Amino acid sequence: SQQGEEDPQALSIQEGENATMNCSYKTSINNLQWYRQNSGRGLVHLILIRSNEREKHSGRLRVTLDTSKKSSSLLITASRAADTASYFCAITNRDDKIIFGKGTRLHILP
Amino acid sequence: GAGVSQSPRYKVAKRGQDVALRCDPISGHVSLFWYQQALGQGPEFLTYFQNEAQLDKSGLPSDRFFAERPEGSVSTLKIQRTQQEDSAVYLCASSLAGSGRFLYEQYFGPGTRLTVT
Repeated sequence: SQQGEEDPQALSIQEGENATMNCSYKTSINNLQWYRQNSGRGLVHLILIRSNEREKHSGRLRVTLDTSKKSSSLLITASRAADTASYFCAITNRDDKIIFGKGTRLHILP
Repeated sequence: GAGVSQSPRYKVAKRGQDVALRCDPISGHVSLFWYQQALGQGPEFLTYFQNEAQLDKSGLPSDRFFAERPEGSVSTLKIQRTQQEDSAVYLCASSLAGSGRFLYEQYFGPGTRLTVT
């Protein structure tokens, strides 16, 4: 499978703690994106990182990409209750196909 | 401004019925995508339009699935003779991208949850 595989599948942390999710893939990529999906809603784009980039930040979000290890991580700092959601990575491969992983379900405990 | 809207939000169909799912993209967005999301899974790409042209339909699972965007704005995904395995959430997304379709942010609608009984 070429799909991104997120890990862990589920994560529960206390509000205020940092949350780290990982994504591994098997093929060469053009870029990798992270999306958030709240229950019953559509996806919200978080960050796109290109294959020649190693790190990007957006507010409390930090994404890293290691193409040698074919992996990416999403760090959410100082988590809030509103961060409770499913997080998906999506790779765009060299054939310009987009493939989503199965997601990490993040639950922020009050 | 208005985001991507989809209708209906929920659809229950008996096996064998035809269904039509509508997507209203953000005004001015060139690219439009349809995805299928099974329960507990990530979205799977179905098809892609650039304006009214359907440039990629490689993800459509069978010839029972048909999509159109005749005027380059609203799109309809039609599923003929629905089967139980078609039960899923169907997501529509649009973006400003012309070329480099996956290089830019996609804006997703809330999805249509289709249940085939």
